[in-house]
Amino acid sequence: DGGITQSPKYLFRKEGQNVTLSCEQNLNHDAMYWYRQDPGQGLRLIYYSQIVNDFQKGDIAEGYSVSREKKESFPLTVTSAQKNPTAFYLCASSERDLTDTQYFGPGTRLTVL
Amino acid sequence: DQQVKQNSPSLSVQEGRISILNCDYTNSMFDYFLWYKKYPAEGPTFLISISSIKDKNEDGRFTVFLNKSAKHLSLHIVPSQPGDSAVYFCAAWNSGYSTLTFGKGTMLLVSP
Repeated sequence: DGGITQSPKYLFRKEGQNVTLSCEQNLNHDAMYWYRQDPGQGLRLIYYSQIVNDFQKGDIAEGYSVSREKKESFPLTVTSAQKNPTAFYLCASSERDLTDTQYFGPGTRLTVL
Repeated sequence: DQQVKQNSPSLSVQEGRISILNCDYTNSMFDYFLWYKKYPAEGPTFLISISSIKDKNEDGRFTVFLNKSAKHLSLHIVPSQPGDSAVYFCAAWNSGYSTLTFGKGTMLLVSP
């Protein structure tokens, strides 16, 4: 089955700790994305990557970091510098770039206590 | 086959006037629509969204209108400012398939 997996589904962390959210795809897509969703808001882009070892900041990159060492993996680290990290995080991938249809994983709900 | 179409690649407007950016879609399963703005060498910035159960959403100078029967949405910017000059992308969300489909974008140029 092809698709995008995100783990874990729910994550709790203490304030001041870094946490890494996993995203894996087996669709052979070049591009991968991280979005954040807050109540009443649209999807806001955190980081995106169109090719291995390269990524660009999105709308709200401050307090986040990413890596793209493999085509199929795009982990997101929420650092202690992120002022309001509690949110629903969605990972997506598309064949080449932003204007190709993006397919989303099930999301990770992060709660910082 | 493009499911989200922005048929105008570019639009020029004078400062202070209204900018109207249009977007058409073909898939009636889309249930949420978003507009993003993108400056050169930067990632897209979320602007405004609308659920398919509404026909209008307003946020400051930005208003999005949705006409479901025509499968058409538009973004109005009033008044337009030179800092609004950017590429605007329309995107449509299909919750059944968890997909987000972007249009190809419209470049807006607001001249002083």
